[in-house]
Amino acid sequence: DTAVSQTPKYLVTQMGNDKSIKCEQNLGHDTMYWYKQDSKKFLKIMFSYNNKELIINETVPNRFSPKSPDKAHLNLHINSLELGDSAVYFCASSLDRGPGELFFGEGSRLTVL
Amino acid sequence: GENVEQHPSTLSVQEGDSAVIKCTYSDSASNYFPWYKQELGKRPQLIIDIRSNVGEKKDQRIAVTLNKTAKHFSLHITETQPEDSAVYFCAAAIPWYSSASKIIFGSGTRLSIRP
Repeated sequence: DTAVSQTPKYLVTQMGNDKSIKCEQNLGHDTMYWYKQDSKKFLKIMFSYNNKELIINETVPNRFSPKSPDKAHLNLHINSLELGDSAVYFCASSLDRGPGELFFGEGSRLTVL
Repeated sequence: GENVEQHPSTLSVQEGDSAVIKCTYSDSASNYFPWYKQELGKRPQLIIDIRSNVGEKKDQRIAVTLNKTAKHFSLHITETQPEDSAVYFCAAAIPWYSSASKIIFGSGTRLSIRP
């Protein structure tokens, strides 16, 4: 059983489109995150939810909107995609607000053409 | 907010030799320092972590040291093997009860092990 799973693994889309990435964890963790990894491998936190409550919201364009329907799911919707949004987006979870070990999903590689 | 700097960005060592990666952090309130390994095309995975109440932690060939006064921490890998080739990230985090609590990553070190 995959602990943190993301779909889709790959997304190729045109500039201006809207896309969503879904994430689910079956670890019973309270906290979930979105991280962005760019082409230089920098891992930058975007958002964090604890028990469906938004607790971290970094300086991210408001074209990015996270949604947590329950504590096991955290989705990311991106409007009006731009070339600079191309990256690998990692979902992660941790037992609680921690800090403690992050369990990452496999990543979703987004390519904007 | 917290800032984590990591050096070197690339490191090549002979198989069997040791590798050392160094990080510094800026926020003295940080109390948790994990290290993640990311193999090519894979997810980052925790390999070792240390909390601010200890100065050193060891797990087989991997050790981490922490100097709170200097705000430095380091990863040491001994007897390196080909499977140690990967990108390694250090990170620092402030306690959850701080409004700024989050795990901030360094820029990564690409470690290559030469046969």
